[in-house]
Amino acid sequence: AQTVTQSQPEMSVQEAETVTLSCTYDTSESNYYLFWYKQPPSRQMILVIRQEAYKQQNATENRFSVNFQKAAKSFSLKISDSQLGDTAMYFCAFMKQSGGSNYKLTFGKGTLLTVNP
Amino acid sequence: EPEVTQTPSHQVTQMGQEVILRCVPISNHLYFYWYRQILGQKVEFLVSFYNNEISEKSEIFDDQFSVERPDGSNFTLKIRSTKLEDSAMYFCASIAGGHYEQYFGPGTRLTVT
Repeated sequence: AQTVTQSQPEMSVQEAETVTLSCTYDTSESNYYLFWYKQPPSRQMILVIRQEAYKQQNATENRFSVNFQKAAKSFSLKISDSQLGDTAMYFCAFMKQSGGSNYKLTFGKGTLLTVNP
Repeated sequence: EPEVTQTPSHQVTQMGQEVILRCVPISNHLYFYWYRQILGQKVEFLVSFYNNEISEKSEIFDDQFSVERPDGSNFTLKIRSTKLEDSAMYFCASIAGGHYEQYFGPGTRLTVT
C-alpha cells in the first residue's frame, strides 16, 4: 500500500514571498503520478500541478513548481510570489500508473497555508 | 468548461436514515470515484467504478454503502442507515479514458444528527 506524508500541518508566508510545502511518499511502484491539490475554504478540490514519475523534468504551472526527487521519494511544491488567494489547505496525492480500471488517489493529511498581507 | 456537479450541496439527516448523494460526472468520462473527508482530516478513497461495476473499494465502504450509475449520466452513492460517524464531505470525481487527471465535484456536506 502507498502512503503519503506531509510533515508540515501549517505554514505561513508573507504576500509576494516564496514558500515550499513538503511531501514524501512510500511505494514499491516504479510508475506513478503525483499531484498537488488545493482546497480553499469552499472545500472544492482544485488540481494545482501534476508530475509523471517517468519524467525527470520538474513540472511547472505559472507560479507553482515542484521539486521531484524520485530516489528520495520526495515531491515538494514551491509557490512563488504568494498571493492572498493562495491561502488554502494543500494536499499531496499519489496515483499508481498501473491502476488498470482503478486510478484511485491516496492523499496526505494536508498542509494549511496562510498567506499574510 | 465541463465540470463535475454534485447535489445536494448540504444534506442533514437523522441517524438511521438512508441518504443518496448524487453526482453528474463529465459526459465523456469513464472512471468514477467517491471520496470522503471528515472535517479537519485527509481525503479518503471510498470506491471506484468502471464499466458499470465496482473496480475497488476501501475498508470504509462496507455493506451500508452502495453505488450506482442508473442512467448513463448520474452516479450515486447511497448510505442505507446513516451513523453519526458518516458526517463528512463526500466528493465525486471522474477521469476520461486514456487520461489520469481526476476532476472533482464541489462536494456534498453530509451532517448526521
